[in-house]
Amino acid sequence: AQSVSQHNHHVILSEAASLELGCNYSYGGTVNLFWYVQYPGQHLQLLLKYFSGDPLVKGIKGFEAEFIKSKFSFNLRKPSVQWSDTAEYFCAVNAGNAGNMLTFGGGTRLMVKP
Amino acid sequence: DTGVSQDPRHKITKRGQNVTFRCDPISEHNRLYWYRQTLGQGPEFLTYFQNEAQLEKSRLLSDRFSAERPKGSFSTLEIQRTEQGDSAMYLCASSSYGGQYEQYFGPGTRLTVT
Repeated sequence: AQSVSQHNHHVILSEAASLELGCNYSYGGTVNLFWYVQYPGQHLQLLLKYFSGDPLVKGIKGFEAEFIKSKFSFNLRKPSVQWSDTAEYFCAVNAGNAGNMLTFGGGTRLMVKP
Repeated sequence: DTGVSQDPRHKITKRGQNVTFRCDPISEHNRLYWYRQTLGQGPEFLTYFQNEAQLEKSRLLSDRFSAERPKGSFSTLEIQRTEQGDSAMYLCASSSYGGQYEQYFGPGTRLTVT
């Protein structure tokens, strides 16, 4: 069965610091990759997605992620975080042999100090 | 607002009671998903509908759980004889049909079983 690992459970940064959140998945075939964000008190929202093509994808609010197939990774990055980026971030994978289900990582809780 | 809606937002019930949750997807979406999220974890897939057909069910979905989408629009998730371990956030998501898709999530129903 496929699985998704997010190595950092809690991250604390100061404003303007750079962010990188790790995501690794276990599946050798074709995958669709997603990052979702959950702001305090709000529902899950899609940040960005990768289906095919350019492995560097750009999402909303200045976030980007890079798909490295050889490393089974899809790390999320932002050059300069803001206090409003405080949220929980979830990496998710859909693999070709798993139908339409998304498999989520355990999430990373980011706190940005003003 | 044309997003995914869920009702109720919160439900407190006593062990052994039955509960039913409702999800209204985005109107043009014909795929509907149910996930469960416990504290500190990412969402876990429960089941999925395409139109009115239930196409996948997770092993997490015990016999006490049943989901329906009778007319291919809204869906209900019923839990019979609730147990304390059923306490969780129940999330609904919808997507359109296509080779590349993204799922849009509702606000969830938080179930507390006492």
